[in-house]
Amino acid sequence: EAGVTQFPSHSVIEKGQTVTLRCDPISGHDNLYWYRRVMGKEIKFLLHFVKESKQDESGMPNNRFLAERTGGTYSTLKVQPAELEDSGVYFCASSHAGLDGYTFGSGTRLTVV
Amino acid sequence: TQLLEQSPQFLSIQEGENLTVYCNSSSVFSSLQWYRQEPGEGPVLLVTVVTGGEVKKLKRLTFQFGDARKDSSLHITAAQTGDTGLYLCAGAGNNNDMRFGAGTRLTVKP
Repeated sequence: EAGVTQFPSHSVIEKGQTVTLRCDPISGHDNLYWYRRVMGKEIKFLLHFVKESKQDESGMPNNRFLAERTGGTYSTLKVQPAELEDSGVYFCASSHAGLDGYTFGSGTRLTVV
Repeated sequence: TQLLEQSPQFLSIQEGENLTVYCNSSSVFSSLQWYRQEPGEGPVLLVTVVTGGEVKKLKRLTFQFGDARKDSSLHITAAQTGDTGLYLCAGAGNNNDMRFGAGTRLTVKP
């Protein structure tokens, strides 16, 4: 069974540009979560999808971040325009129901210069 | 202010030694998870504890959930170099979004 896949693994962009991160959850997992770790800080929750619906987006930093999960399969997280403080590692996780099978991807390391 | 405080922040020991790392909070969690993370990878789930006072064993690793479900510990017996990594605890929020501690970075020297 394939795990949670994230693309790209690394991205370096200039301040003001747009970047889109993608997460493919484990097949059949309705729950999809986005997290972020900025340098020196703990991993922080961004938002939670149940199928295609946003269940909780209380962790999204501001309106420069837009997450979608069309069709309830893969999800994208777009940052537009990117700022220096957006640099960090963005993780995606998925689960079947509740904490059942909670699995993280390897993350996307975003560097904004 | 971190919701979950992990201690120690760094730990360096010799192979064969025992160690305990801690995860403390002022909040009550319905469940708590321990993860291990290696460089360039995402956190890998080790265990989920849900009942106050629960003890779970995973080979040389022993996990305990406090009676009040506010704290947890991870004890490793006879550490091996392969145990080196970042150990994270995370408490489940209302929608099972995980609230993480900053982690304990363990180095086991040969």
